[in-house]
Amino acid sequence: AQSVTQPDIHITVSEGASLELRCNYSYGATPYLFWYVQSPGQGLQLLLKYFSGDTLVQGIKGFEAEFKRSQSSFNLRKPSVHWSDAAEYFCAVGSYTGTASKLTFGTGTRLQVTL
Amino acid sequence: GAGVSQSPRYKVAKRGQDVALRCDPISGHVSLFWYQQALGQGPEFLTYFQNEAQLDKSGLPSDRFFAERPEGSVSTLKIQRTQQEDSAVYLCASSLAAGGSDTQYFGPGTRLTVL
Repeated sequence: AQSVTQPDIHITVSEGASLELRCNYSYGATPYLFWYVQSPGQGLQLLLKYFSGDTLVQGIKGFEAEFKRSQSSFNLRKPSVHWSDAAEYFCAVGSYTGTASKLTFGTGTRLQVTL
Repeated sequence: GAGVSQSPRYKVAKRGQDVALRCDPISGHVSLFWYQQALGQGPEFLTYFQNEAQLDKSGLPSDRFFAERPEGSVSTLKIQRTQQEDSAVYLCASSLAAGGSDTQYFGPGTRLTVL
């Protein structure tokens, strides 16, 4: 069965500093990988996704992620963090069997941004 | 256009009561998903509909949980005889098609508290 590990529960960075959130996955086939962001009281918003092609994926709000098959990783990065980026970030792997489709999420990383 | 909407946003139930949670997906979306998010955790898959057909209900935690989508649009998640461990945020998502790489668009969730 697929699984996702986000090893960092909580990360604090200063505004303007760079950010990297780690994600490792376990999946038997070529994975579909997603990063979502969740602000308090809000639903999940898609930042970016990978399903084939270029392993460096660009997303919204200046985020990018790199798929590394050899490391089973899909880390999220941003070169300069803004205070509004403070939120919970979830990595997920999508699976589809022809009749069933679902996302398996990690436990999330809470990002705090200091001014 | 409008996104995924859910109602009610908040629900307080006494243990043993039945509750019904509603999801209005994005118009024309084939796939609909329900997830359960416990406090401090990532969302966990409950069930999946493709149009009106419930193709996967492997994530439903017990036979007290029941979901339907009778006309292939609006969906209702019903929990019978609620228990304290049912307290969580229930998220609904929809996607345009039925593939594993399709973006799932999430609603704001219904926060259920069972006293």
